[in-house]
Amino acid sequence: DTGVSQNPRHKITKRGQNVTFRCDPISEHNRLYWYRQTLGQGPEFLTYFQNEAQLEKSRLLSDRFSAERPKGSFSTLEIQRTEQGDSAMYLCASTQLVLEGYTFGSGTRLTVV
Amino acid sequence: AQSVTQLDSHVSVSEGTPVLLRCNYSSSYSPSLFWYVQHPNKGLQLLLKYTSAATLVKGINGFEAEFKKSETSFHLTKPSAHMSDAAEYFCVVSDRSGTYKYIFGTGTRLKVLA
Repeated sequence: DTGVSQNPRHKITKRGQNVTFRCDPISEHNRLYWYRQTLGQGPEFLTYFQNEAQLEKSRLLSDRFSAERPKGSFSTLEIQRTEQGDSAMYLCASTQLVLEGYTFGSGTRLTVV
Repeated sequence: AQSVTQLDSHVSVSEGTPVLLRCNYSSSYSPSLFWYVQHPNKGLQLLLKYTSAATLVKGINGFEAEFKKSETSFHLTKPSAHMSDAAEYFCVVSDRSGTYKYIFGTGTRLKVLA
């Protein structure tokens, strides 16, 4: 159990470019979540996977955002045509037993210039 | 719908004195509540959780919280602050639908003075 791993840790991109982030959850965790955290705010829910199925998406997740979890293992979050408002910390979390709480990764900090 | 209000955005205490971080929640059913801590440039770490068992919950690093249904509160306390406790603290209520997604408060930044 090496925890939840997120890559890259930091990403600087120009407005209009596409970016992709990766999350490797704890191996036996079937539930995987993505959250976004902007400066001075608490994280906000983006999307949820149970195994490979994406079961819920927030209204925050515009059509420029897409997430996948092929084979129920790692997950990717892609943002197309990035905008300055996409600058944030993107956090991934996983769990097997919801009442035990999530394990969060260290996040990917995106800066759009 | 669930929501969480953290009543203080910043709290300062002296090292060795008690810590109180306040959280009120709103939930249409019996909630699951959590406190997480976030150190600079680090991920969120679970401090403690309430899931309808004992109302006084003990967590890591000497923290504890008491669930008070009548006051809809879940305040976080620690008897004696340590310099390493300086961080951002988030109160969280979990949606108990199939998703169990988290609704976070806006956070309380704890400063510990030497």
